[in-house]
Amino acid sequence: GAVVSQHPSWVICKSGTSVKIECRSLDFQATTMFWYRQFPKQSLMLMATSNEGSKATYEQGVEKDKFLINHASLTLSTLTVTSAHPEDSSFYICSARDVGVAGGNEQFFGPGTRLTVL
Amino acid sequence: KQEVTQIPAALSVPEGENLVLNCSFTDSAIYNLQWFRQDPGKGLTSLLLIQSSQREQTSGRLNASLDKSSGRSTLYIAASQPGDSATYLCAVNDYKLSFGAGTTVTVRA
Repeated sequence: GAVVSQHPSWVICKSGTSVKIECRSLDFQATTMFWYRQFPKQSLMLMATSNEGSKATYEQGVEKDKFLINHASLTLSTLTVTSAHPEDSSFYICSARDVGVAGGNEQFFGPGTRLTVL
Repeated sequence: KQEVTQIPAALSVPEGENLVLNCSFTDSAIYNLQWFRQDPGKGLTSLLLIQSSQREQTSGRLNASLDKSSGRSTLYIAASQPGDSATYLCAVNDYKLSFGAGTTVTVRA
């Protein structure tokens, strides 16, 4: 149980294009999902918190117009990197909180998406 | 703002030796603390989760302790194996997860 998938697992795109990354909770409902970014040899940094049916909350320094987050259902959140540039190349990882679990504070992580912008 | 520190940053040991990885955090008002393993270029594998009311959790050769009052957690890996080579991340949950920078472990055969 508590499986989170991401699609695609890797993507290469040209500078200036937009890329959409999907995060799905496969066997549970997630009212809250989180998006993280990890640069090489660095730890994960929280980008934004995504709540189903409402606007995402972005961390300080994260451009909300560049990283569009949509959480339209209890099992799907998407992150769109708009007008991607080489400096956006990174490993993007999502997580989801299982509201069905007592306490409901554990986050389950997807396998990550490697974005390379040429 | 929660700050999480992991010491050491890197560790190299011969096979069979026990590993001790340390994690400290600044705000003790947490829900839980979680230890993850990350292999190069891969996602996170959850190892152990300790709720704030617990003192320790065990799974196989892994044991994690939590001292919330002092803001510390320790991950012990007994009888290390080359397959244990990876980066180990500590994450503190106070609604948001704050990650440490990780300890990169190399177990030499």
